[in-house]
Amino acid sequence: GAVVSQHPSWVICKSGTSVKIECRSLDFQATTMFWYRQFPKQSLMLMATSNEGSKATYEQGVEKDKFLINHASLTLSTLTVTSAHPEDSSFYICSASPMGSELNNEQFFGPGTRLTVL
Amino acid sequence: GQNIDQPTEMTATEGAIVQINCTYQTSGFNGLFWYQQHAGEAPTFLSYNVLDGLEEKGRFSSFLSRSKGYSYLLLKELQMKDSASYLCASMDSNYQLIWGAGTKLIIKP
Repeated sequence: GAVVSQHPSWVICKSGTSVKIECRSLDFQATTMFWYRQFPKQSLMLMATSNEGSKATYEQGVEKDKFLINHASLTLSTLTVTSAHPEDSSFYICSASPMGSELNNEQFFGPGTRLTVL
Repeated sequence: GQNIDQPTEMTATEGAIVQINCTYQTSGFNGLFWYQQHAGEAPTFLSYNVLDGLEEKGRFSSFLSRSKGYSYLLLKELQMKDSASYLCASMDSNYQLIWGAGTKLIIKP
């Protein structure tokens, strides 16, 4: 149980285009989903916390107009990288906390999406 | 400020035991997590400690001392597939994970 999927697994796009990444909790409902970015040999950096039905909370330094997050349902959150540039190339990972997981606060991670902007 | 410290890299021999240490300073504390991350993949959950003491789960054990802001991950009977990065993360008072940079574990035959 507790499987999180991401789509696409990898994407290559031209500079200036927008890319949408989907994060789905397959067998549980998640009121909260998290979006992370990880550059090579660096730790995961939290970009934003997404709550179903409300606006995402962005971390300091993360442009909300560039990284659009939509959490339309209890099983789906999307991250859209708008006007992507080569410096946005990174590994984007989402995680989800199941409803009622307060006992262990566990986050389940998606497999990640590798974005390369040419 | 919030800070997680863990060694950058460790090397161990197949079949041996290795202990990866982690010290943390976070605003509030709601538990300490250990994740395994193979290159190019997302992290996978290993353990969660919120009370002091040792939690054993097969070949992997995790220890927590809240008074010392210290945890370790103990891996026994090392296998080649254990070569990976091991990430320590502390959950703060806002239930956000504060991540360490990870410890790259190299297993040699």
